[in-house]
Amino acid sequence: DVKVTQSSRYLVKRTGEKVFLECVQDMDHENMFWYRQDPGLGLRLIYFSYDVKMKEKGDIPEGYSVSREKKERFSLILESASTNQTSMYLCASSPFIGAGDRGGNEQFFGPGTRLTVL
Amino acid sequence: ILNVEQSPQSLHVQEGDSTNFTCSFPSSNFYALHWYRWETAKSPEALFVMTLNGDEKKKGRISATLNTKEGYSYLYIKGSQPEDSATYLCAFPGGGKLIFGQGTELSVKP
Repeated sequence: DVKVTQSSRYLVKRTGEKVFLECVQDMDHENMFWYRQDPGLGLRLIYFSYDVKMKEKGDIPEGYSVSREKKERFSLILESASTNQTSMYLCASSPFIGAGDRGGNEQFFGPGTRLTVL
Repeated sequence: ILNVEQSPQSLHVQEGDSTNFTCSFPSSNFYALHWYRWETAKSPEALFVMTLNGDEKKKGRISATLNTKEGYSYLYIKGSQPEDSATYLCAFPGGGKLIFGQGTELSVKP
């Protein structure tokens, strides 16, 4: 059974704190993604990674950074949390299908972390 | 910038009603179209990945059609049940990633 896990379901932090959101997948997938979901805005991509040590900016990378030291783990970092980063954060992974991969593979999602920044 | 639009944004139906909603996407350089279901307190799960114009896929009471020439896909639910209540997302690949629509939130009342 495929599995993507996230370190916390609910998290409350204070403005200015450094926040780490961890994601682990056990499917040996190359691609990993971080999204945030806000009412009426759908899923917006923050960062993604095609391989260890590789990262690409998504649509809304400002205020975030990521780390991928191991294939199975992709971390999202909020260097200095702000109230506008209060959101649901979702991690996902997908397999790489080789040359010509346009990101079209099914993505497998974690349960999400609901982050509140006070 | 690739744009994926879903309508309606929300839908409230009675148990037993059939319903459908729409996903619009760019018709040029089509590669695939995904549908996901996201139930409250659960992870989004893929329903369908559609690749061929005219394709129709079915899973139980849920089916989807695809028109790549005009850039739309319909998701149909026949005889809605309360357990169908969820947000339904479509997504279009572009630039090595999926671009998601804003979702249709379906609520089915018993």
